[in-house]
Amino acid sequence: GQSLEQPSEVTAVEGAIVQINCTYQTSGFYGLSWYQQHDGGAPTFLSYNGLDGLEETGRFSSFLSRSDSYGYLLLQELQMKDSASYFCAVRGPLWWGGATNKLIFGTGTLLAVQP
Amino acid sequence: GAGVSQSPSNKVTEKGKDVELRCDPISGHTALYWYRQSLGQGLEFLIYFQGNSAPDKSGLPSDRFSAERTGGSVSTLTIQRTQQEDSAVYLCASSLQQFQAFGSGTRLTVV
Repeated sequence: GQSLEQPSEVTAVEGAIVQINCTYQTSGFYGLSWYQQHDGGAPTFLSYNGLDGLEETGRFSSFLSRSDSYGYLLLQELQMKDSASYFCAVRGPLWWGGATNKLIFGTGTLLAVQP
Repeated sequence: GAGVSQSPSNKVTEKGKDVELRCDPISGHTALYWYRQSLGQGLEFLIYFQGNSAPDKSGLPSDRFSAERTGGSVSTLTIQRTQQEDSAVYLCASSLQQFQAFGSGTRLTVV
């Protein structure tokens, strides 16, 4: 089966840089996505890596290395509002069973930003 | 609509009753997904609709769970004979391409 592992919790201070890792045991996926979810809210899309390398979107960057089965989300200039859960997700191909665009989510990382 | 809309936002039901959860996706989005999220946990895939193709039901946990999507738009997730372990937030998402837009979910509590 497919699985994605993330650290359960990360703590950092305002203004700092934090990296949230995602390691996976799967193959043949189309890309790695990242979602943010505030407590009680809906997950919102942050970033997508269709190819290996770094994607930058403002204060957030995401990285993918298929050869290492590894990706990460990098948050810079942390703000209190960044306190949330962060999920990596892979988009699956047909041989996972069913149609494409099926997302398998990681276990999630709770980020706590302290003043 | 402007976003994915789910109703009700909260539902409390007695064990053994049936419940229906509704999802209105973003207009024009061809794909629609249902997920389940237990307290403090990740998102568990339930079912996926893509256009007129047969739905991917591989994530449904038991035959008490079913879903339909009428006219390629609104979807209803039905849970029959609810059990306490069905208590969770049920999230709906829709998409056109690789990223999904989520609704705020329905918090289901089975007592």
